[in-house]
Amino acid sequence: EAAVTQSPRNKVAVTGGKVTLSCNQTNNHNNMYWYRQDTGHGLRLIHYSYGAGSTEKGDIPDGYKASRPSQENFSLILELATPSQTSVYFCASGWDWGDQDTQYFGPGTRLLVL
Amino acid sequence: GDSVTQTEGQVALSEEDFLTIHCNYSASGYPALFWYVQYPGEGPQFLFRASRDKEKGSSRGFEATYDKGTTSFHLRKASVQESDSAVYYCALGNGGSALGRLHFGAGTQLIVIP
Repeated sequence: EAAVTQSPRNKVAVTGGKVTLSCNQTNNHNNMYWYRQDTGHGLRLIHYSYGAGSTEKGDIPDGYKASRPSQENFSLILELATPSQTSVYFCASGWDWGDQDTQYFGPGTRLLVL
Repeated sequence: GDSVTQTEGQVALSEEDFLTIHCNYSASGYPALFWYVQYPGEGPQFLFRASRDKEKGSSRGFEATYDKGTTSFHLRKASVQESDSAVYYCALGNGGSALGRLHFGAGTQLIVIP
């Protein structure tokens, strides 16, 4: 079964440190997305990608970078982590044409920045 | 810009009660509308979608009808069970503005009391 996996599942980081969250998909989807989830805000889009080598800014990109080295992998990078980035992060993959625009989510990464 | 509003932050029902979660959207054209469900500790799961006026989407006993006149896509279920307790997200996809991007509502937590 096609799947989206994320690593690590839990991460504790220190303020000012670098954090890399990884996502892998076996759906063979072109598009991949990074969201963060916070109480009262639902899911907010940070960065997304249309294919290997491409990254686009979402609605809340400040403080985050993204990297898409291959069709299967999409990383979210926090160069200088801050406590405000404590959250649950979800990766998703999907197509973008016709009725094939459903996104499929990974299990999430819980990040705590101290 | 495109947006989704979910009126209820939390809904508490007894088993076998009728469920309605309200979803209203703001977008140009004919966006695709989605419902996702998220169980504790998991990523959001696709429930169903609709893309045309009066189209009904359904899955697992849940259903919603696309209503362009009232810009709504309300989630309903005739008889809820304790296992339906989860967070439900309404989402909008508008290929004309940004292929593949989804805009999520803030989510509605459903608590079903046995």
